[in-house]
Amino acid sequence: QVQLQESGPRLVKPSETLSLTCAVSGNSISTYSWNWIRQTPGKGLEWIGHIQPNGASAFDPSLKGRVTLSADTSQNHFTLTLSSVTAADTATYYCAGPGYSFTYWGQGLQVTVSS
Amino acid sequence: DVQLTQVPSSLSASVGDSVTITCRASQNINNFLNWYQQKPGRAPRLLIYETVSRQYGFPSRFSGAGSGTEFTLTISAVQPDDYATYYCQQSSRPSLTFGGGTRLDVK
Repeated sequence: QVQLQESGPRLVKPSETLSLTCAVSGNSISTYSWNWIRQTPGKGLEWIGHIQPNGASAFDPSLKGRVTLSADTSQNHFTLTLSSVTAADTATYYCAGPGYSFTYWGQGLQVTVSS
Repeated sequence: DVQLTQVPSSLSASVGDSVTITCRASQNINNFLNWYQQKPGRAPRLLIYETVSRQYGFPSRFSGAGSGTEFTLTISAVQPDDYATYYCQQSSRPSLTFGGGTRLDVK
């Protein structure tokens, strides 16, 4: 059974960088693409981006320039880095995959941007 | 980028009713359309993938249809466990997007 688990800080100050990690078990991250998705009450579900097995990544255009995705195949986890955060980045962050229809999801991590 | 418009944004139904949710894409996405069910405090669950294929664990009263730019999710006889929010999502790369969601609640 594939399981995903997000980890990272729950509180981040404005203008700082948010870094979240998704640990995957039951499937190798080097086989498929893996995604980050966030959810806010006002905007519903928002796809952030994905990282492919070859290390290439794609992002929602509205976040491009602030988002970096990376993967550590030895640890079987992948990471989201979001720079210059504002209150608008307050959300529940999910990792999901594999591929482009999301069979498996993490439980979600509520992140608040506040000073 | 492909925009998805989901209608209605909410609807009320009684147990046993049939309901249909529509998802319209701003451009042709072939059959790359998925549906998710989400209950409060939980992560979404993949319900239908590639327009018509029902994910294991969901009953046959859930069905998907459509192609190109217009897609539907139908629940043929709503059961108490079906009250949730439903989202469509397109997987026509490079960018992936979700619809705004449809909340189904008790009439």
